[in-house]
Amino acid sequence: AQSVSQHNHHVILSEAASLELGCNYSYGGTVNLFWYVQYPGQHLQLLLKYFSGDPLVKGIKGFEAEFIKSKFSFNLRKPSVQWSDTAEYFCAVNREGGGADGLTFGKGTHLIIQP
Amino acid sequence: DARVTQTPRHKVTEMGQEVTMRCQPILGHNTVFWYRQTMMQGLELLAYFRNRAPLDDSGMPKDRFSAEMPDATLATLKIQPSEPRDSAVYFCASGLTTAGQGVSYNEQFFGPGTRLTVL
Repeated sequence: AQSVSQHNHHVILSEAASLELGCNYSYGGTVNLFWYVQYPGQHLQLLLKYFSGDPLVKGIKGFEAEFIKSKFSFNLRKPSVQWSDTAEYFCAVNREGGGADGLTFGKGTHLIIQP
Repeated sequence: DARVTQTPRHKVTEMGQEVTMRCQPILGHNTVFWYRQTMMQGLELLAYFRNRAPLDDSGMPKDRFSAEMPDATLATLKIQPSEPRDSAVYFCASGLTTAGQGVSYNEQFFGPGTRLTVL
């Protein structure tokens, strides 16, 4: 079974700072990778996903993530954060070809952006 | 704008009572997932269906939880009897899994969740 580890449980940044949230997964096979965001009181929304191809994927709201297979990592980045990025961020995986498989989520990173 | 809907949005009940949560997947989606979110455990997969057939419910306490899809537009998650440790936000998600080139995967769309409090 796969597992996901998000190293930073709480991150506090000032506006305009650069962001990088770590995500590592463990699974012996090929995986699909996702980052979801949950704004306060709202449901999960997909930020970006990686299935195959270019390991640098771009998502909504200026976010991007890089899949490094050798490190089993899929870190989320944003060059300049805004106050509105305050939210909970979840990394998730499911195994490639496991079309109907559910997602395995990390515990989440609570990001607070200070004005 | 197609969305997954869930009812009720909030539910407060007493221990021992039956709780039923409902989900309407996005029209045309054939895969439905139930997740539970708690502070301690984070987001956990409880069960999922494809074409209304249960594929995996290993994440669900089977002695008190049951999940069904009476039809393609409705998925239900029932807890009987409920316990305080069941207090959580329960999310439903739907997606489209297509055959042809084997089983492929598409994005899961999440509903707004049902916040359950068991006293």
